[in-house]
Amino acid sequence: NAGVMQNPRHLVRRRGQEARLRCSPMKGHSHVYWYRQLPEEGLKFMVYLQKENIIDESGMPKERFSAEFPKEGPSILRIQQVVRGDSAAYFCASSPPELGQIAGNTIYFGEGSWLTVV
Amino acid sequence: QKEVEQNSGPLSVPEGAIASLNCTYSDRGSQSFFWYRQYSGKSPELIMSIYSNGDKEDGRFTAQLNKASQYVSLLIRDSQPSDSATYLCAAVPLVFSGGYNKLIFGAGTRLAVHP
Repeated sequence: NAGVMQNPRHLVRRRGQEARLRCSPMKGHSHVYWYRQLPEEGLKFMVYLQKENIIDESGMPKERFSAEFPKEGPSILRIQQVVRGDSAAYFCASSPPELGQIAGNTIYFGEGSWLTVV
Repeated sequence: QKEVEQNSGPLSVPEGAIASLNCTYSDRGSQSFFWYRQYSGKSPELIMSIYSNGDKEDGRFTAQLNKASQYVSLLIRDSQPSDSATYLCAAVPLVFSGGYNKLIFGAGTRLAVHP
């Protein structure tokens, strides 16, 4: 999982500020997933993106959260007007473009970005 | 009903014993299952994947899948203190099996291996 790069690793924001989390997938991977992990909970799916396309954002809160994966550059998870409840670990994962197989297709997680809202 | 359920623990076992971690899932059509290990403050690390009924062994780890009972388990033989972590079970629901890896995670089971 060392190949998926996330930054910043730790981010502190005051209530009402914006948080931007960046994710560079592993080389050759064109699919990116964002997951959120609240304290003492499992990971919750947020959004799945391919280059320039949001494929599934069913786990994204309806307001203040957005994600993009431009043609060039990293994927960005943006949280506007952060609140204390946004404090969590945000994990990015990537997978190769060869999808659709039950066997052998796994995703690779980055080290995570820990957001603290004060 | 949660889609993937695990006992939160902690599960405490002595060093050298077998640790047994269990997971149930609600989507009967789920085809792919994964066990991740997560140390505190770290990202999940894939330990095992399993797709067919039965057992799959890898070193000290054995994953077991019973689709009829919608049950997945992970056995850790010769448990070591370094195995102390949270173990996350994840499933890919049927609707995504032919598309992309939308993992549905359980809340995790904390394992404590004491010397």
